[in-house]
Amino acid sequence: QQQVKQSPQSLIVQKGGIPIINCAYENTAFDYFPWYQQFPGKGPALLIAIRPDVSEKKEGRFTISFNKSAKQFSLHIMDSQPGDSATYFCAASRRNGNNRLAFGKGNQVVVIP
Amino acid sequence: SQTIHQWPATLVQPVGSPLSLECTVEGTSNPNLYWYRQAAGRGLQLLFYSVGIGQISSEVPQNLSASRPQDRQFILSSKKLLLSDSGFYLCAWSSEDRGYEQYFGPGTRLTVT
Repeated sequence: QQQVKQSPQSLIVQKGGIPIINCAYENTAFDYFPWYQQFPGKGPALLIAIRPDVSEKKEGRFTISFNKSAKQFSLHIMDSQPGDSATYFCAASRRNGNNRLAFGKGNQVVVIP
Repeated sequence: SQTIHQWPATLVQPVGSPLSLECTVEGTSNPNLYWYRQAAGRGLQLLFYSVGIGQISSEVPQNLSASRPQDRQFILSSKKLLLSDSGFYLCAWSSEDRGYEQYFGPGTRLTVT
């Protein structure tokens, strides 16, 4: 059972555009929501994370929006650059408990110069 | 700062041969350690995780096994590889009290021929 669902599967934007990746989760016990960025042939890198007590978090050009009632969260890449072209994974976990992350299947983002 | 290493970086093995992949972490004590597999163009599948020396939890039944002989060493093994074992193998670590915040290694690309 897929606990975290990502959409769209892939995304192509022009440089300077704002790609938005959406994730939905089922388990209301989840209270930590990270995003990972993975370049081809590399391991995923933790990019940004949010907890459900806030609705938005920004780090540089990356912003997470969180909607607790809808059980959804999104990654926005502001002023996207070709170097942002990568696969992005959302995930969810409980901070107390089982030491595991439930990952989405990943979205490929391509930023065209 | 903490560093995670994996080797080898790439490996080509014939069907039926044994496998040993190694992961080590520096700069932390008693980390949680994880093995993931990523099939081509797909998401992250948790294979094993460990909260301490000799403590291994298996997520997916298969012909792979894991061991943790030392605090910061995690090994993934197989006695006989299958074609379906091909993929990108990722090791990750987290601090013992923050299992939800995982950091990945550079990965090992395994091709079974």
